[in-house]
This record gives sequence, structure tokens and C-alpha cells, in this order.
Amino acid sequence: DQQVKQNSPSLSVQEGRISILNCDYTNSMFDYFLWYKKYPAEGPTFLISISSIKDKNEDGRFTVFLNKSAKHLSLHIVPSQPGDSAVYFCAASAVSGGGADGLTFGKGTHLIIQP
Amino acid sequence: SQTIHQWPATLVQPVGSPLSLECTVEGTSNPNLYWYRQAAGRGLQLLFYSVGIGQISSEVPQNLSASRPQDRQFILSSKKLLLSDSGFYLCAWSHDRAHEQFFGPGTRLTVL
Repeated sequence: DQQVKQNSPSLSVQEGRISILNCDYTNSMFDYFLWYKKYPAEGPTFLISISSIKDKNEDGRFTVFLNKSAKHLSLHIVPSQPGDSAVYFCAASAVSGGGADGLTFGKGTHLIIQP
Repeated sequence: SQTIHQWPATLVQPVGSPLSLECTVEGTSNPNLYWYRQAAGRGLQLLFYSVGIGQISSEVPQNLSASRPQDRQFILSSKKLLLSDSGFYLCAWSHDRAHEQFFGPGTRLTVL
């Protein structure tokens, strides 16, 4: 039972355009969401997060949108740069765990930025 | 600033051999610690987490165990490795009651 789903295994975007990565979740107990970026043979790097009390959080070129009613979130990267090519993981957490519980991850989306 | 170390970076072990992977965190005290595994073509799966010395919670039944002998040290072990234990093992830490987790560089384990 996959509670966090990233339905696009890969996404190709031209440099300078907007990249939109999508994530859906099924567990209504999730109330905190995170995006990680991962290069091959390295650990994931935290990018941006959002609490369920918000619907948008922005940090530089990265913006995360949350639609609680649809149980959907997305990560927007604009403008896309070659260094953005990586695998992006969506993750979720439930506050009932006080933050101590682990994160539930999607399978990732491989973003490829074309020159 | 905080840093997290994992070793070894890569490991090739025969089936039935023991395993010990170590993770240490610097620059913080009383962190929450986590072990994840990423199997080929899959997302990260939580294996164990710990909120303090000697306190270990297991998320999935498996051939592995974890220990936390010191505040900033987390060890992943197995007495006898299986082929299915191959994967990329990641250690992570977080501040107490914080959601953001920060990952180490990982260990690539291949069981032959």
C-alpha cells in the first residue's frame, strides 16, 4: 500500500522553463510534506517543506503547492537549470509522531533538464 | 554546523556473512536517528528510528537490527546477510520534534 505516490518516473524539461513535479498521498493523517533532491550514489538533500496549514511555500526558485482536499502537492522549479537534473522525492510525515517517526517517501521522479 | 557520517561507502559481502554499518552525527545533541534503505528502482523505506540511547523502533520485520550505543551513534547490523539485503543504506538525523531529516552520504551494499 503506497501512501505517497509519484506517478511520473521521469520528466524532461528544457533549460530555463518551469519544471513541475507532482505527488499524491492517501493517508489523511499526513500533515507535513517535504521534497528532497538526490544525485546518484549520494544521500538525499532537503529542498523545501510545507505544513498542512499552508497551501504554498516558496524558497528562491522552488515553490511547493499543497491541495489538501485533493491530497496533492507539487514542486515548481523556475527557471530550470542543468544542475537541477536529479531524482526528486516527495515525503510525508504525521504530526502525531511528534516528528520522531520516519518519513514516508514516494518512489521519486527523475528530472532531466535539457540544454 | 551539523554533519553526518556513514561508513563504509561501499561494501560487497557474501550471503551469510555478518554486517555492521555505522553512522555518526556531529554538531548536535540528542538527535532523532533513522536508517532507510533504497532498493533498486524504489523509494526510500524506513527500517529503524531512535529517539534516544538504547531506544530503537523497527518499522518492518527483517533480517536486520539496529543499536544506538551513544547519543550520536547509530549502527545497523545483521548476523547473516541475504541476497535481498542488497541496496543503498541511508542514515538520517533530525532535531527532536522536527520533521525535516538530514541524510548521510549512504552505503552501497551488494550481497553476492
